[in-house]
Amino acid sequence: NAGVMQNPRHLVRRRGQEARLRCSPMKGHSHVYWYRQLPEEGLKFMVYLQKENIIDESGMPKERFSAEFPKEGPSILRIQQVVRGDSAAYFCASSLAGGNEQFFGPGTRLTVL
Amino acid sequence: QKEVEQDPGPLSVPEGAIVSLNCTYSNSAFQYFMWYRQYSRKGPELLMYTYSSGNKEDGRFTAQVDKSSKYISLFIRDSQPSDSATYLCAMSARDNNNDMRFGAGTRLTVKP
Repeated sequence: NAGVMQNPRHLVRRRGQEARLRCSPMKGHSHVYWYRQLPEEGLKFMVYLQKENIIDESGMPKERFSAEFPKEGPSILRIQQVVRGDSAAYFCASSLAGGNEQFFGPGTRLTVL
Repeated sequence: QKEVEQDPGPLSVPEGAIVSLNCTYSNSAFQYFMWYRQYSRKGPELLMYTYSSGNKEDGRFTAQVDKSSKYISLFIRDSQPSDSATYLCAMSARDNNNDMRFGAGTRLTVKP
């Protein structure tokens, strides 16, 4: 029974490139959340999606960041024209019914050179 | 002032000790309280989930919530080296939680 899967686990990009992070939720889960974690800081909510819908993107920067969760396939967090400040661990979580019991993936560690 | 405050530690204890981890918060609307354990280079894992005030016990772990003081605790009895991890508190006002707020995490080391 696979848990939440994220890939790649590590991603290195140069400034100005695009970063694409993928998340496959647990089987049967249709609610996906993306968080960002900086060193010595807690997880910061970015966006909450259900299949084909963005429910809440209040934590996501208005520019350069976008997220989707298509009917088929994984959820994608896309960061365009990356800057050094985007370097962080990005975690995806999924839940069965949009409740507080979220299950986290192993994260993608993005490094921007 | 941050909504959720958590002492980052690090906290080092000998094996078998009782560990107390704490968070304070400022938003009185928070009703759901969670503790996550995060091993190095891994994703957070839900340990305890409580609603409103009171205690909840699960094996060696006990979660306590004191809403009047806006203070939550996680106790670990008979701590083991495998408990060495970062512990994150989290809380939200609603059950459909895109409003969950996390503490910065306390790094715990249990020495054999």
